[in-house]
Amino acid sequence: NAGVMQNPRHLVRRRGQEARLRCSPMKGHSHVYWYRQLPEEGLKFMVYLQKENIIDESGMPKERFSAEFPKEGPSILRIQQVVRGDSAAYFCASSPLGRGIDETQYFGPGTRLLVL
Amino acid sequence: QKEVEQDPGPLSVPEGAIVSLNCTYSNSAFQYFMWYRQYSRKGPELLMYTYSSGNKEDGRFTAQVDKSSKYISLFIRDSQPSDSATYLCAISSSNTGKLIFGQGTTLQVKP
Repeated sequence: NAGVMQNPRHLVRRRGQEARLRCSPMKGHSHVYWYRQLPEEGLKFMVYLQKENIIDESGMPKERFSAEFPKEGPSILRIQQVVRGDSAAYFCASSPLGRGIDETQYFGPGTRLLVL
Repeated sequence: QKEVEQDPGPLSVPEGAIVSLNCTYSNSAFQYFMWYRQYSRKGPELLMYTYSSGNKEDGRFTAQVDKSSKYISLFIRDSQPSDSATYLCAISSSNTGKLIFGQGTTLQVKP
């Protein structure tokens, strides 16, 4: 059973470009969480999605960031007009039931975004 | 005040030592506590989770929660060089299951 998959693993963008990060959850999982890890900081929650629905986006920056989890295909975290402060590791986690508070989340290997 | 506080270290111990890692949290409503291990350039992996106050043991690892003090700990017995990693405490904060992480403590176990 393959784990959570993220691609690309490394992404370099120039300021002003767009970054698209992809996450394929574990087989059988339909709930996806995105977290961001800035240098020397812990992981910060960004958004929680189910198929075709955003459930909790309380951690998403108000501008330039968006996320989706379509009926078919991976979840996408999109960052428009990237700035140097967006440089970070972005992790995706998935869970099977979305039971919430007591359900284990399994993390992918992360996408490391570098903005030049 | 941060919701979860964790000393970032780094912490360096000799092989075989007992390691104690700690976090404090601010909201008494938190009820589900986890420890993740993260190797360099990798994603976090779940080590232990617990609901209630008290101890939970799994092999060389013991997780301890003291809700009255809002304090959680992870003990590693007989530490090994392969335990060298960053250890993150995490708390599930809402019905949606979003996790609040501590900053992480970097541990180095020297042979």
